[in-house]
Formats: sequence, C-alpha cells, structure tokens
Amino acid sequence: GENVEQHPSTLSVQEGDSAVIKCTYSDSASNYFPWYKQELGKRPQLIIDIRSNVGEKKDQRIAVTLNKTAKHFSLHITETQPEDSAVYFCAASTGGFKTIFGAGTRLFVKA
Amino acid sequence: DAMVIQNPRYQVTQFGKPVTLSCSQTLNHNVMYWYQQKSSQAPKLLFHYYDKDFNNEADTPDNFQSRRPNTSFCFLDIRSPGLGDAAMYLCATSRATDTQYFGPGTRLTVL
Repeated sequence: GENVEQHPSTLSVQEGDSAVIKCTYSDSASNYFPWYKQELGKRPQLIIDIRSNVGEKKDQRIAVTLNKTAKHFSLHITETQPEDSAVYFCAASTGGFKTIFGAGTRLFVKA
Repeated sequence: DAMVIQNPRYQVTQFGKPVTLSCSQTLNHNVMYWYQQKSSQAPKLLFHYYDKDFNNEADTPDNFQSRRPNTSFCFLDIRSPGLGDAAMYLCATSRATDTQYFGPGTRLTVL
C-alpha cells in the first residue's frame, strides 16, 4: 500500500526565513497531494494542494512542487511569520477515498 | 458558518463505558470519514461512508462502529473504550474523492 515519508520531523526557523518540508510517496498511482496545517488543538486545515498533472503551484507565500519521477513533493513557505508555527502534514491519494498522511513536521518560527 | 461540526468537543468516559461521538455537515458532501489522531501523530483513517455504503479500514478494531442515518450526520460509536482509545477523533467530509474538509475534532479521555 501507499506510504508517505515526511522530513524533517521538527523545523525551527527565524522569522522572515524560508521553510521547506519534503515528502516522498511510494505508490506511483498517487495523483493528488494536499498539505494540511494543524495548530495545537485545532483541526487540520488545507493550505494548498497539487495534482499530478502540475509541477508547481503557488499561493502567496506558500508553494508546492511535485517531482513525479522521483515521487517527491515539497512545501515551501517564504517570509515565515510566527503565526506559521504549527504542525504540517503532507498527504497523498490515488484518487480514491483513502488519503495517506505523512507523520507531520512541527514548524517553529522564532520572532 | 461552520461547515463540519463535531459534538461534543471534549468527552470523558470510563473504561468500558460505551460512548458516541457526533459529526454533522452543511456541505452536502456525499462522503464522511472518521479519523483517530493520537498526540503528535498523523490522522489515521478508521472508516468512511460513501453515501450509505460503509467502508471499514482493515486494521480498525471491532470496538469501533459507525452510523450514518442521513447525508448530514455521522456517528462514531466506541462500544467498550479502553485506555488506548484516548485520542482526538476527527470527522471529515468530501465530495466524492475531492479534497477532505475536517471538523474541529472531539478529544476523548478514558478514565
């Protein structure tokens, strides 16, 4: 079955710096890759997603890249702010109902 | 204007005492999911309903059951909660295999 690995597990950056979180997936049939942000005690919230027919997608300070050949996808946050501090989950889906989540990255943005 | 609502937000039960968690949605999505999330871990899918069709994950314990009386509501029943069932329980919805939207979760404590 599908497996999603996420790195790093913890990331600490200075406010204004960039943060990059990387994920790899195992099932080449995966075609949908959402990213969720979860603040402490709150729901996971979709922040950006990408489908396999696109290599890159950007939304303001957030961008996601996908390398289908290498089965890698990454989240890039530029100009980080303290409110970006949260746990970020990558996920992969083959288009069915099951979404496989990575283990999460705890991002700390230091003011 | 909450779209996925979970009640209660916090639930305390005793070891072995049945408990029911509730989820409702105003999105008219045809798929509803239940996830278990333990501290600092990724959400783990327990089961989902596609319309009235129930789909159980292979590794979901028999102790967990679900009901979906109509499109808007879905319930998670834990027949005999053990200490290991203490977790955050997240409900999510989607239109077919599109993006999943999560509710705020119910934090279950088992005494």
